[in-house]
Amino acid sequence: DTGVSQDPRHKITKRGQNVTFRCDPISEHNRLYWYRQTLGQGPEFLTYFQNEAQLEKSRLLSDRFSAERPKGSFSTLEIQRTEQGDSAMYLCASSLGGGPLHFGNGTRLTVT
Amino acid sequence: DQQVKQNSPSLSVQEGRISILNCDYTNSMFDYFLWYKKYPAEGPTFLISISSIKDKNEDGRFTVFLNKSAKHLSLHIVPSQPGDSAVYFCAASELNSGYSTLTFGKGTMLLVSP
Repeated sequence: DTGVSQDPRHKITKRGQNVTFRCDPISEHNRLYWYRQTLGQGPEFLTYFQNEAQLEKSRLLSDRFSAERPKGSFSTLEIQRTEQGDSAMYLCASSLGGGPLHFGNGTRLTVT
Repeated sequence: DQQVKQNSPSLSVQEGRISILNCDYTNSMFDYFLWYKKYPAEGPTFLISISSIKDKNEDGRFTVFLNKSAKHLSLHIVPSQPGDSAVYFCAASELNSGYSTLTFGKGTMLLVSP
């Protein structure tokens, strides 16, 4: 069990630019989740995949956000035309079925 | 509308004493509850969970109690150690979603002093 890996750890971008984050889940886990955490708040659900199928999206996930998990393994989260309000910690997690989520260390996005 | 509430932003406890962290929820459909611990610059780490069919679950120094009628759960840490100093998040989920989404509280920062 090597844990959930996220890349990059930090990303600074200018408003209007596109960014993409990668998540590698625990290998035997079939579910993969994206959460967002802002200062003083708990993590908020964005979306989740079961294998390669994206089964649920939060209303927080605007049209500028897209997530993929093409082969049911790693996942990417892309934010187009970033806004300052997108600045947050983006957390990826994985689980085996409905078991406890195991989180990565997150990607901290700063939009200037 | 916060469905999971942790009303104490912080808690200070002396080493060796009991730490009690509280959590309230409003959604009666929640039937699975978890506690996560988070150190700075790291992701949340799963600690312990409890299903609504139980009222207590214990794992070493950590015990979670669930009071369904009051929609309240608590995490007890006995004895508290300085390494327990972290932010603790309460989270809830429901069978209807296949336990696919967690709703988190805002967290309680625990400081255990030597």
